Amino acid sequence: AQSVAQPEDQVNVAEGNPLTVKCTYSVSGNPYLFWYVQYPNRGLQFLLKYITGDNLVKGSYGFEAEFNKSQTSFHLKKPSALVSDSALYFCAVRDWMRDDMRFGAGTRLTVKP
Amino acid sequence: DTEVTQTPKHLVMGMTNKKSLKCEQHMGHRAMYWYKQKAKKPPELMFVYSYEKLSINESVPSRFSPECPNSSLLNLHLHALQPEDSALYLCASSPLRVGGSKQYFGPGTRLTVT
Repeated sequence: AQSVAQPEDQVNVAEGNPLTVKCTYSVSGNPYLFWYVQYPNRGLQFLLKYITGDNLVKGSYGFEAEFNKSQTSFHLKKPSALVSDSALYFCAVRDWMRDDMRFGAGTRLTVKP
Repeated sequence: DTEVTQTPKHLVMGMTNKKSLKCEQHMGHRAMYWYKQKAKKPPELMFVYSYEKLSINESVPSRFSPECPNSSLLNLHLHALQPEDSALYLCASSPLRVGGSKQYFGPGTRLTVT
């Protein structure tokens, strides 16, 4: 079965500092990995995905993620955090056999001025 | 048009009411989904429709009844709900059996059961 885990419930960073939100995965076959962000009382917004190819994936709003096959990780990163990046972040894996998406528990990112 | 729309945005209903949530997309996606999300938790899959047919029902209580009248429209009919059913209900769509495709999410309906 496909699954992802987000080991941190909460990540706090200062504005301007780099941020990392962690995700590890467990899949059989090729991993299709995604990051979504959710602002309060809103739906999920797509940030980026890894399908194949370069291990460093660039996405929306200056975010990027590094796929690491040996560590089965797909950490989300941003070189310089903004206060407006404060939100709930979900890592997800696509189970193409079932055509559904499995989400991690979510990580709340707080960026302080 | 790369948007999934959901109506209503907010819904308050009593435990004896019958109401429906509506979801619409015009991206030609043949997979559509209903999720339930509690505060600060990940979305929980409820139903998946593939080619307008129910393909996955995640053991959802029968007081939730999904319907897919056509390839663009997805409904969730609600009847005799419980207060614990209060949550954000999210609709999503995606191309079918394209493993690398993302899901497109609507803004959600905030449901409160009184």
